[in-house]
Amino acid sequence: EVVLTQSPGTLSLSPGERAALSCRASQSVSSNYLAWYQQKLGQAPRLLIYGASSRATGIPDRFSGSGSGTDFTLTISRLEPEDFAVYYCQQYGSSPSTFGQGTKLDI
Amino acid sequence: VQLVESGGGLVKPGGSLRLSCGASGFTFSNAWLTWVRQAPGKGLEWVGRIKSKTDGGTTDYAAPVKGRFTISRDDSKDTLYLQMNSLKTEDTAVYYCTMSRAYWGQGTLVTVSS
Repeated sequence: EVVLTQSPGTLSLSPGERAALSCRASQSVSSNYLAWYQQKLGQAPRLLIYGASSRATGIPDRFSGSGSGTDFTLTISRLEPEDFAVYYCQQYGSSPSTFGQGTKLDI
Repeated sequence: VQLVESGGGLVKPGGSLRLSCGASGFTFSNAWLTWVRQAPGKGLEWVGRIKSKTDGGTTDYAAPVKGRFTISRDDSKDTLYLQMNSLKTEDTAVYYCTMSRAYWGQGTLVTVSS
């Protein structure tokens, strides 16, 4: 199975700053089928990015995804207070689908 | 689109439980549906997926649940199921059903404890 490793484990930033979250795969992600989710405490995950770089419906353009093959990045251009949450990447190009262990974005 | 899980609760190790996920707002029979779980304080874990019947209706499972969990669907009732047998303490988690990665239920908590 494809193992996804996210880094850093925790990222401490301030509102207005830029965040770059990394997701590295143990093997190439088929068709760049890589998604990013945001999860807040007590809530279901929210899809941000699919296909490595396509924004999901209703997601602000400050969120962007990039990368291909084994290295992917979620960038938040200017952090808003509501962006502080846990972020997960997921590959769905091969079965079983797998998630990264998450990056906590802290104020 | 709405997904509503039910059936969670407290069960003893070795026991069984069946979760349901009622769906509305989309053509259920065309959808591939997935179960994802999250242990308390931990990350997301993909459990398994069922394809639409037109795409073969086949299922795939994560290694930790293969042989113990079964995903099925009743397209006449717009309902997805997760039959969980031989439950272990490490199966304790909130279980979510999802569709197309974008749509998630609110989750149902399964606690496996003696």
